[in-house]
Amino acid sequence: GENVEQHPSTLSVQEGDSAVIKCTYSDSASNYFPWYKQELGKRPQLIIDIRSNVGEKKDQRIAVTLNKTAKHFSLHITETQPEDSAVYFCAAEGGYQKVTFGTGTKLQVIP
Amino acid sequence: SQTIHQWPATLVQPVGSPLSLECTVEGTSNPNLYWYRQAAGRGLQLLFYSVGIGQISSEVPQNLSASRPQDRQFILSSKKLLLSDSGFYLCAWSVPRPLNEKLFFGSGTQLSVL
Repeated sequence: GENVEQHPSTLSVQEGDSAVIKCTYSDSASNYFPWYKQELGKRPQLIIDIRSNVGEKKDQRIAVTLNKTAKHFSLHITETQPEDSAVYFCAAEGGYQKVTFGTGTKLQVIP
Repeated sequence: SQTIHQWPATLVQPVGSPLSLECTVEGTSNPNLYWYRQAAGRGLQLLFYSVGIGQISSEVPQNLSASRPQDRQFILSSKKLLLSDSGFYLCAWSVPRPLNEKLFFGSGTQLSVL
């Protein structure tokens, strides 16, 4: 089955700096890669996603890149703000519409 | 618009007691349904998923079971809870292919087994 690895597990950045979170996946059949943000005690919320026929997608300060050949994808947050502090999860959807998550990255933005 | 309801929000149960968590989705038909568990400070572990009534796929061997008695109802059960069953349980749904794979989560159930 699909295996998603995510790095780093924790990340601290100064407010205004950029943050990058990287994920790799194992199943070459996976074709949908969402990213979720989870604040403490809350449900995960979808923040951006990318499909396998696209190499990059941007939404304001958030961007995701995908390298299908290398089977890795990354989340980039620019001009970070304290409200970006949360746990971020990458995920991959392969066969049978099953979504497998990475282990999460705790992002701390220091004011 | 679609909504997902999950209850209860919190639950404290003794070891060996049964469990039943319920999740319902409104505003859509034939959704894919999922149960995830999140241990404290950990990632999201897929427990069960279903692409149709009566169809359940299990991802992790455990003393939990799932059922889908109706199109938009997904139930997570256990006959006898273990301490290791403690965690944050999340129900989720998505629209089946080829439309949209976005996953939407319920508000979660914090289960403490004592």
